[in-house]
Amino acid sequence: NAGVTQTPKFRILKIGQSMTLQCTQDMNHNYMYWYRQDPGMGLKLIYYSVGAGITDKGEVPNGYNVSRSTTEDFPLRLELAAPSQTSVYFCASSFNAGGGYTFGSGTRLTVV
Amino acid sequence: AQSVSQHNHHVILSEAASLELGCNYSYGGTVNLFWYVQYPGQHLQLLLKYFSGDPLVKGIKGFEAEFIKSKFSFNLRKPSVQWSDTAEYFCAVTPGGSQGNLIFGKGTKLSVKP
Repeated sequence: NAGVTQTPKFRILKIGQSMTLQCTQDMNHNYMYWYRQDPGMGLKLIYYSVGAGITDKGEVPNGYNVSRSTTEDFPLRLELAAPSQTSVYFCASSFNAGGGYTFGSGTRLTVV
Repeated sequence: AQSVSQHNHHVILSEAASLELGCNYSYGGTVNLFWYVQYPGQHLQLLLKYFSGDPLVKGIKGFEAEFIKSKFSFNLRKPSVQWSDTAEYFCAVTPGGSQGNLIFGKGTKLSVKP
């Protein structure tokens, strides 16, 4: 029972580089989310998806893109990395709207 | 905009002390309420949740929370903390009718001294 799997766990990027953070869930959850966590700031929603083919912006979407081609996968793309994107990124999923989330173990990203 | 306020940034307690962490939200309609815990270096785990019914909710590891609608509050309590409760605690709210997007508070760090 893997739950929500995120890769990689750690990554260092140079300014201007791009990368994709992977997120996969095996619980057949329709709802998936990407959050970033910064010290003392809690978690901020970047993007979310209510099902395959449907995505929408959250509170802090600038500099990121997502896609949802399958129920299982919800990758997060950084096109031109900036130091402000240094953060810990968490992917989460839920069975229905308003329910509790299952979180992945996170990706710690540093942009230098 | 909806928001969640957690009153304490850092709480330090000795083992066996009682714990209460405050949480207030700003939304007038129906809400679902959650407390999550994040142990050092780990991801967030659900402690407890409130959707409806009895406003006193019991969660895992001896934690409980009380929903007081008139005060827009959902405070977390534990009668006797242990060193292993050292973690960061997040209150979160899903406004009714939303897509399930959780709005998180900024978190409260709890340090329990042995």
